[in-house]
Amino acid sequence: EPEVTQTPSHQVTQMGQEVILHCVPISNHLYFYWYRQILGQKVEFLVSFYNNEISEKSEIFDDQFSVERPDGSNFTLKIRSTKLEDSAMYFCASSVTRENSPLHFGNGTRLTVT
Amino acid sequence: AQKITQTQPGMFVQEKEAVTLDCTYDTSDPSYGLFWYKQPSSGEMIFLIYQGSYDQQNATEGRYSLNFQKARKSANLVISASQLGDSAMYFCAMRESMNYGGSQGNLIFGKGTKLSVKP
Repeated sequence: EPEVTQTPSHQVTQMGQEVILHCVPISNHLYFYWYRQILGQKVEFLVSFYNNEISEKSEIFDDQFSVERPDGSNFTLKIRSTKLEDSAMYFCASSVTRENSPLHFGNGTRLTVT
Repeated sequence: AQKITQTQPGMFVQEKEAVTLDCTYDTSDPSYGLFWYKQPSSGEMIFLIYQGSYDQQNATEGRYSLNFQKARKSANLVISASQLGDSAMYFCAMRESMNYGGSQGNLIFGKGTKLSVKP
């Protein structure tokens, strides 16, 4: 069964450094998302992406964050200058349609900012 | 106001018994979708079951069924014949329609219920 693939599974970085989290969505999906989950808390929406542009973003997704689909398969989340509070599990997800089809999540990247 | 409410932070169930995980939601949108996800301790987010607001029948997927009570705005997950591997966090989530002006595919999650299955 096709799945969403995220790399790396764990990333440790120093405060102020840039990180790029990688995702390969399911190949026939058209809508892509990033969510994050701070340890022990609920899953929060960051951004959705369709047709090579951002569809929607949350208040969390400030100027430090950016997303890209550099080729036909990868979907990346960049954090320009990491802060301690960016430590979280970051999930990439994709879906076939925008409404009423499930989001399929990757296994997540655990980002630790020291 | 919370869009998704899961009132049970933790639940215990004996292996092989059934368990119901509660979820209530708040929306004025006539068209919405409800989802349940499982998150084991390893961290991944696994899609379990989906219920559309216009679906006439309750959704079922193997041992999972969704007790959808639209008038009460509840979408409880029922797991039958619990297994040790069912021990995990369970999240209820909702997606409102775009036509309503809801977020474009943004899943809104509840805080989750931690299910522990006892042998």
